[in-house]
Amino acid sequence: EPEVTQTPSHQVTQMGQEVILRCVPISNHLYFYWYRQILGQKVEFLVSFYNNEISEKSEIFDDQFSVERPDGSNFTLKIRSTKLEDSAMYFCALLAVWEGRSYNGRETQYFGPGTRLLVL
Amino acid sequence: SQQGEEDPQALSIQEGENATMNCSYKTSINNLQWYRQNSGRGLVHLILIRSNEREKHSGRLRVTLDTSKKSSSLLITASRAADTASYFCAPSPVTGANSKLTFGKGITLSVRP
Repeated sequence: EPEVTQTPSHQVTQMGQEVILRCVPISNHLYFYWYRQILGQKVEFLVSFYNNEISEKSEIFDDQFSVERPDGSNFTLKIRSTKLEDSAMYFCALLAVWEGRSYNGRETQYFGPGTRLLVL
Repeated sequence: SQQGEEDPQALSIQEGENATMNCSYKTSINNLQWYRQNSGRGLVHLILIRSNEREKHSGRLRVTLDTSKKSSSLLITASRAADTASYFCAPSPVTGANSKLTFGKGITLSVRP
């Protein structure tokens, strides 16, 4: 299973502040996703990203959110002005691993361990 | 994308017993995946079964798929306390294999030592 790390593991911020959550894949991937899970609720899709652009986004992913892959490796989710209701676990997920000659695992999304965001 | 509906919502068994969890979905799928989530942690991919497969095994896991009934089941044999977690199914639509996954409420499995 491809290894995915996320930083930070925990973040506490004040309402209105900007936060940047990072996803660091070990190997090359094609598709990237962000999901979130509010405490006690379902895992919800936020956005998918392919070929350096957003391919799909949910209603949750409003103008306060943005994603990018600034250096070709890290994949970031930015929340410009956090609200109390943004408190949640945020997971990145990856699809399709480059294994030297081809992309494999194109059917399975592998999730990172998550970033727990608390907005006060 | 489409959401899988897991059943039952909660399951409590004794260590060593088998745990059977069910999933139903509404439209045609390309494959169906099962994930596990330990409390406060990330989702761990368990197993994927394709629409042309009826049964698949991985260690103590057995997954079945009945496309005529639009249902799948996950069997964990000889359960252990470490299997205590929430379990989710995620059907992947026929078109857009790269599309988002939509998760239901999951099944909370408790395995008593």
